[in-house]
Amino acid sequence: DAGVTQSPTHLIKTRGQQVTLRCSPKSGHDTVSWYQQALGQGPQFIFQYYEEEERQRGNFPDRFSGHQFPNYSSELNVNALLLGDSALYLCASSPLKSESNTEAFFGQGTRLTVV
Amino acid sequence: AQSVTQLGSHVSVSEGALVLLRCNYSSSVPPYLFWYVQYPNQGLQLLLKYTSAATLVKGINGFEAEFKKSETSFHLTKPSAHMSDAAEYFCAVSPSSNDYKLSFGAGTTVTVRA
Repeated sequence: DAGVTQSPTHLIKTRGQQVTLRCSPKSGHDTVSWYQQALGQGPQFIFQYYEEEERQRGNFPDRFSGHQFPNYSSELNVNALLLGDSALYLCASSPLKSESNTEAFFGQGTRLTVV
Repeated sequence: AQSVTQLGSHVSVSEGALVLLRCNYSSSVPPYLFWYVQYPNQGLQLLLKYTSAATLVKGINGFEAEFKKSETSFHLTKPSAHMSDAAEYFCAVSPSSNDYKLSFGAGTTVTVRA
C-alpha cells in the first residue's frame, strides 16, 4: 500500500499564475481533505471532498478550488497566485465517515513557492 | 468554533528526560483531540487520539496524553526522550472522531540534547 501520494513534491510559480496539485488517497479511503501549512505554522483546513463533492470548506477564498474523481483521487487548484500562497500543501485521506475507529493519513505534501 | 492552543513554540530536553508538550482546547461540544508529529520534509503522523473512551490515551513511540476536562487540557508526555523524538508536534481538534476537518495548533518544536 503506497499510502497517500502527492505530486509534485516541489513547485515554483510566478505571481498571478495558476497551479494544480494532485493527491491519491490511501487504498480503501474515499474522503480527501486539503490543508495549507505556512512556514512555522500549523496546517489550516482548506476543504474536504467526499463522493466527488466539496463537503466542508475552511476560511479560504474562491481562488482555491478542488475536484474529486471517481477513483477518489483529488486535485487542488489555486488561481491568481499570491506570494502569501507559498506553503506546504498537505492532503489527508480517511475512510467512510460511518466507521468510528478511523485515522486520517497524510501525504508528504507539495511545497509551493510563489515568486 | 473549536480551537487549540499549544503553549511553548520550542522545547529542548536532554536525552532520557521527560518530554511534556502542552495543549489547551476550546470547544462548545465534547472535543475529539489528536496529537500529530511531523519530521522534517514529511507529512503528519498520528501519535494518538482522544475520542472519549478513556481519559489517558496511549500512543505510538511511548507517548501518552491525558484529557482533563476541568483544565481543558490534553498535554502530551513521554517519560524518557530519545534523539529520534526531535520533530515538530501538533495538537488538533475536530468535531467528531471521524470528521477530519482538523483545527491545528501552531506546533511545538522539540530538540533533544545528547
